[in-house]
Amino acid sequence: AQTVTQSQPEMSVQEAETVTLSCTYDTSESDYYLFWYKQPPSRQMILVIRQEAYKQQNATENRFSVNFQKAAKSFSLKISDSQLGDAAMYFCAYRRLPGAGGTSYGKLTFGQGTILTVHP
Amino acid sequence: NAGVMQNPRHLVRRRGQEARLRCSPMKGHSHVYWYRQLPEEGLKFMVYLQKENIIDESGMPKERFSAEFPKEGPSILRIQQVVRGDSAAYFCASSPRQGSYNEQFFGPGTRLTVL
Repeated sequence: AQTVTQSQPEMSVQEAETVTLSCTYDTSESDYYLFWYKQPPSRQMILVIRQEAYKQQNATENRFSVNFQKAAKSFSLKISDSQLGDAAMYFCAYRRLPGAGGTSYGKLTFGQGTILTVHP
Repeated sequence: NAGVMQNPRHLVRRRGQEARLRCSPMKGHSHVYWYRQLPEEGLKFMVYLQKENIIDESGMPKERFSAEFPKEGPSILRIQQVVRGDSAAYFCASSPRQGSYNEQFFGPGTRLTVL
């Protein structure tokens, strides 16, 4: 079974600085999707960024970028120029590809989350 | 295009009662997923449904929990004879179809409190 581990329960950063959130995962699949979700105090889950494992190029979305190390099964999120609105719980998640067989391709497997605090 | 709707947003039940959580997917979405988030934890997959079919229920507890997604109307997650351990936030997500990548869009969640 796939597992996702976030080893940092809490992180903090000064406004305008850069912070990196860590995520490792375990899978026997060769192709899959990885995601970072943000959950602010409203509890609404918001997709921040996604990465297809077959793509070697790291995904970027404005101030958010990932460092995807497939061999190491590592998928970290870098937030540049941190803003107060970035304060939230961040979840790393894994999803199989639909063509990989079986019926479990629908589910997202989440890590435990990292609470990010942004200091003004 | 309205997002994923869940109701009620907050639900209080006494032990032994039934809880019904409703999820209306985004327009045009025929795939629904339910997740549970216990306090201080990540979301845990419960069930994946398409219209009138359960595709994957590997995350559903064997007893007291059931889910449906009828041809017409919202998806329903039903918890019978609730216990205190059922207290959690229940999230629904929807996607348009399978195939290649399809993002799951999440609703705001239903917070269930069992007294």
